[in-house]
Amino acid sequence: KNQVEQSPQSLIILEGKNCTLQCNYTVSPFSNLRWYKQDTGRGPVSLTIMTFSENTKSNGRYTATLDADTKQSSLHITASQLSDSASYICVVPTGYGGATNKLIFGTGTLLAVQP
Amino acid sequence: KAGVTQTPRYLIKTRGQQVTLSCSPISGHRSVSWYQQTPGQGLQFLFEYFSETQRNKGNFPGRFSGRQFSNSRSEMNVSTLELGDSALYLCASSPLWAGVSSRSYEQYFGPGTRLTVT
Repeated sequence: KNQVEQSPQSLIILEGKNCTLQCNYTVSPFSNLRWYKQDTGRGPVSLTIMTFSENTKSNGRYTATLDADTKQSSLHITASQLSDSASYICVVPTGYGGATNKLIFGTGTLLAVQP
Repeated sequence: KAGVTQTPRYLIKTRGQQVTLSCSPISGHRSVSWYQQTPGQGLQFLFEYFSETQRNKGNFPGRFSGRQFSNSRSEMNVSTLELGDSALYLCASSPLWAGVSSRSYEQYFGPGTRLTVT
């Protein structure tokens, strides 16, 4: 069964600190993995997309890693800001190439950054 | 370039009624997907449309249906509403149906329609 699991479910950190969110997936066939940020009451916004050949990808203070062998990904947030408070969702599409846009979503990690 | 727009943003309906939600994709995008988001189940895929044809469907009952128009705008309909249909319904658009690179998968989400069934 195609699944995406995330940990922790929620996380509270102080402003300026770093944190790492985890994602494990069992989606096959695998083509890419994405991290989305979703602010309360809004639609998800893409942070990174990683193909199976990419190990690390950065987007500002966000750095995603991917280990296709162990089927794990992480999202590292550096020097957190209050605006980082949101739900972070790991997403893996099913199917190869453009055969499908069907996305399998993780349950998300709710991050709260406190001053 | 304008983003994905969804109307209405908020909706309150009673059990047994039906509802139609609308999604306008980013200009030039031809694929529209719909998702349901609830606190208990998270985000779940409903269906995807491309060139006015349903290409993929999630595991939802037949009460959930959709369609896409020639201008790529899409509507989603839920008939005989149940309390469990209360959710945030998200629409996402992407440029293409077929592609060979990871960029072909990029989906841009709208703000969602918050449906409350009483």
